Amino acid sequence: NAGVTQTPKFRILKIGQSMTLQCAQDMNHNYMYWYRQDPGMGLKLIYYSVGAGITDKGEVPNGYNVSRSTTEDFPLRLELAAPSQTSVYFCASIADGRSAEAFFGQGTRLTVV
Amino acid sequence: AQKVTQAQTEISVVEKEDVTLDCVYETRDTTYYLFWYKQPPSGELVFLIRRNSFDEQNEISGRYSWNFQKSTSSFNFTITASQVVDSAVYFCALSEARSGGGADGLTFGKGTHLIIQP
Repeated sequence: NAGVTQTPKFRILKIGQSMTLQCAQDMNHNYMYWYRQDPGMGLKLIYYSVGAGITDKGEVPNGYNVSRSTTEDFPLRLELAAPSQTSVYFCASIADGRSAEAFFGQGTRLTVV
Repeated sequence: AQKVTQAQTEISVVEKEDVTLDCVYETRDTTYYLFWYKQPPSGELVFLIRRNSFDEQNEISGRYSWNFQKSTSSFNFTITASQVVDSAVYFCALSEARSGGGADGLTFGKGTHLIIQP
């Protein structure tokens, strides 16, 4: 049971480039999330999804897009990378409701230069 | 809106000392959930505990204990007889339970960097 898998682990982008951060979970969880972690700032919610075909914005959605075509996958798209998007990105999933433990991926460290 | 405050940015203690990490939260909901996560230097997030708003019993797990007080909106975390392996960033987080469904994620504090010196 792999849990939540994020790829890649590290990436360097040039300003203006695009990329997709991949997130997959094999626990059949309905709820999935993308967070970003900036130094000394904790984690902030970018986007979330409560099921296939349903997504919604979190606290810091600007510059990002998501899709949820299957229960398993929740990719995060950066269309025009900016230095302000340099961060560590975490994907998470929850089985159901807010009471359950959130399972986190290992994180993707992204640097935009 | 919900908010989690971890006022201690960094704490440094000598091994075997007890240490308490503070967490204060704000929410309008009567039903909510509180969490602690550990982030070791390797970077992953490790779940430590979940507590719902109706359960104010303190919890102990080995050297770890948690004190939940609704009267002061606090959910503090104490490590007894600290060890070097406890060195990490610790996050407190809040999740509200609203009617109508939709799990809109966790609100995290900024974290406390705990340094245990040998």
